[in-house]
Amino acid sequence: DGGITQSPKYLFRKEGQNVTLSCEQNLNHDAMYWYRQDPGQGLRLIYYSQIVNDFQKGDIAEGYSVSREKKESFPLTVTSAQKNPTAFYLCASSIGSGSPYYEQYFGPGTRLTVT
Amino acid sequence: GNSVTQMEGPVTLSEEAFLTINCTYTATGYPSLFWYVQYPGEGLQLLLKATKADDKGSNKGFEATYRKETTSFHLEKGSVQVSDSAVYFCALSASSTGFQKLVFGTGTRLLVSP
Repeated sequence: DGGITQSPKYLFRKEGQNVTLSCEQNLNHDAMYWYRQDPGQGLRLIYYSQIVNDFQKGDIAEGYSVSREKKESFPLTVTSAQKNPTAFYLCASSIGSGSPYYEQYFGPGTRLTVT
Repeated sequence: GNSVTQMEGPVTLSEEAFLTINCTYTATGYPSLFWYVQYPGEGLQLLLKATKADDKGSNKGFEATYRKETTSFHLEKGSVQVSDSAVYFCALSASSTGFQKLVFGTGTRLLVSP
């Protein structure tokens, strides 16, 4: 079955520690995305990647970093510079990113709690 | 800029009631419009989409029509079930320097009681 996996489902960290969230897809999609979801808010774009070895900042990239060394993988690191890291993080992918017809497929999400 | 406005929730209905969740948008050009659904503790799933004016998207009994004249994409279902309880997000796809960005509304929680 093709899809997107994110691990772990729940993640707990102490303030001041960096943490990396995993995202893997076997859909052979070129484009991948990271979103942040907070209670009562829509999704906000953190980073996106249109192709391997390339990525761009989204609307709220400060305090986050990504890499895209393989087509199927797009890990997100939440650094200690992120002021409010506790949130639900969603990874998504699409065939491409240049057309409004391309659907984004979402993973199950990782809930990060930083205390 | 591009934005999506959804009605505040929660929307509370009894099983078999008619559902409408309002969504209006602001965008330049001709965006595609989407409804996504999120069940508790899960990621988002695409429910339906429409890519041009007057298109009607439909899936699992849900429908929405792309109305350019009123810049709206309201979600409707004739008879809701308890299993429809979830958060529904309206979104548009807008071009930004060659990249199609999804812009989401804040979501509307639907609660259906037996």
